[in-house]
Amino acid sequence: GQNIDQPTEMTATEGAIVQINCTYQTSGFNGLFWYQQHAGEAPTFLSYNVLDGLEEKGRFSSFLSRSKGYSYLLLKELQMKDSASYLCAVKDSNYQLIWGAGTKLIIKP
Amino acid sequence: GAVVSQHPSRVICKSGTSVKIECRSLDFQATTMFWYRQFPKQSLMLMATSNEGSKATYEQGVEKDKFLINHASLTLSTLTVTSAHPEDSSFYICSASGGGGADTQYFGPGTRLTVL
Repeated sequence: GQNIDQPTEMTATEGAIVQINCTYQTSGFNGLFWYQQHAGEAPTFLSYNVLDGLEEKGRFSSFLSRSKGYSYLLLKELQMKDSASYLCAVKDSNYQLIWGAGTKLIIKP
Repeated sequence: GAVVSQHPSRVICKSGTSVKIECRSLDFQATTMFWYRQFPKQSLMLMATSNEGSKATYEQGVEKDKFLINHASLTLSTLTVTSAHPEDSSFYICSASGGGGADTQYFGPGTRLTVL
C-alpha cells in the first residue's frame, strides 16, 4: 500500500528552528509537496521537490532524498503565525496526490 | 498568481435541501479540479477529481449521486450536495491545477457546511 508518515505534533519556541520529517512509500514518485494549513482554513502551497537536494524559500526550506523516501521541511526564525499543520503529499506513478495526515506545529513564546 | 476562489464560504441549511458550492480558478486555466472534505482535526479526504468537460472520478465510498460534480469550463467547477443531512456537515475544499511539470494543486478557501 501507499503510506506517508509524519509526526502528529511538534512543539518549538519562537525564534528557533524546527525540522518536520516526512517519509513515504508510494508506487512511483513524481514529486513531493509541502502545504501549510491554519486551523479552519484551506491548505496553502509551500514547496515542491522532484529532484534530490534542498530548496530554499525565505525562512522555509524543503529537502528531498528519493533513495531514502524522505523529505523534511525546515522552518527558521519561527514566528507565532507559523503555528499550523504542515501537510506532506507525494505524487505517485499515476500522478495521484497521496496525503500525509499532517504535523501540528505549536509555537511557544 | 494561482488564485482559487470558492463560494459560499459558509452555509447553513436544513436537512433535505441541496447546496451548491462553486470553485473558480481566477488567473489560470484549471485542467483538473479536486474536491476534498475535511472533518474537524482530521486530514484531507479526496472526494473526487474532475477534468474539464468529462465526468468526475469519485473516490471509493463517495456517493456520486449525492455529491454531483460539474466541471463545465476551465475556470469553474461546482459541487452540489443533494438532500443534505447533518452527517454531511463538514469543511469542503476545492483545489485546481493547471497541468505542467509540478502540477501543483492550489486550494480555494473552503466552504463550511452545516446541516441542521
